[in-house]
Amino acid sequence: KAGVTQTPRYLIKTRGQQVTLSCSPISGHRSVSWYQQTPGQGLQFLFEYFSETQRNKGNFPGRFSGRQFSNSRSEMNVSTLELGDSALYLCASSLAGGEETQYFGPGTRLLVL
Amino acid sequence: QKEVEQNSGPLSVPEGAIASLNCTYSDRVSQSFFWYRQYSGKSPELIMSIYSNGDKEDGRFTAQLNKASQYVSLLIRDSQPSDSATYLCAVNRQGGSEKLVFGKGTKLTVNP
Repeated sequence: KAGVTQTPRYLIKTRGQQVTLSCSPISGHRSVSWYQQTPGQGLQFLFEYFSETQRNKGNFPGRFSGRQFSNSRSEMNVSTLELGDSALYLCASSLAGGEETQYFGPGTRLLVL
Repeated sequence: QKEVEQNSGPLSVPEGAIASLNCTYSDRVSQSFFWYRQYSGKSPELIMSIYSNGDKEDGRFTAQLNKASQYVSLLIRDSQPSDSATYLCAVNRQGGSEKLVFGKGTKLTVNP
C-alpha cells in the first residue's frame, strides 16, 4: 500500500506570496492532519480534516487554511507569506482520526525569502 | 509547564548499550501515546504506540507508560548506530483542539 505523498517536496517563495501544498493520504484513510515543524518550535498542529470537514484547528493565524476533497486528498494554503513561515510542513493520515496512529508523509520544505 | 516535555539531549550511548528516552505530559485525560523516530531531513516514522499502563515490547524497543505519574518512556536495547536520530514523544488529547501534541524531541547518538 502506498504511503502518504506530498507535493511539492521543496518550495522557495518570497514574502507576501501565497503557497498551496498538497497531500494524498494512504488509501482508505479519511483523516488528514497538517503540522508545521521548525527548529525552534518543534512540531505544531495546524488542522485536521475528516470527510471534507475541518474537525480540529491549532493555534495558527487565519493566513493558514486548508481543505479536503471527496477523495480525502487535502491541500493547505498559506497566504501573505512571512519569513517565519519557513518550515517543514508535514501531512499525516489516519483511518478515521481519534486515537489512531497517524502516518506521516515526506513533508514539503518551504523557504520564504 | 509545557504539555509534553522531553529531555532535549543530546543523548549519547555506545553501540550495544541501552538508550533510555523519557517523556512527561501534563494533561491527565490523554489516552494515546506514541513514539516517532525522525532522521535528519526526513519525516517522523512511528516506532511504538501504547495505550495502557505497563510495558509494551516490539523487538529491541520497549515503551513504558505510567498514567498516574504522567510519564512515558522508550527503551532501546542493543543500540545500533542506525538508531541515531531524534525521538519524538506524542500524546493524543482527544477532545482538545489539537489532535497530537509533540514534545520537542530527544536527539540520540549511538557511537560505534
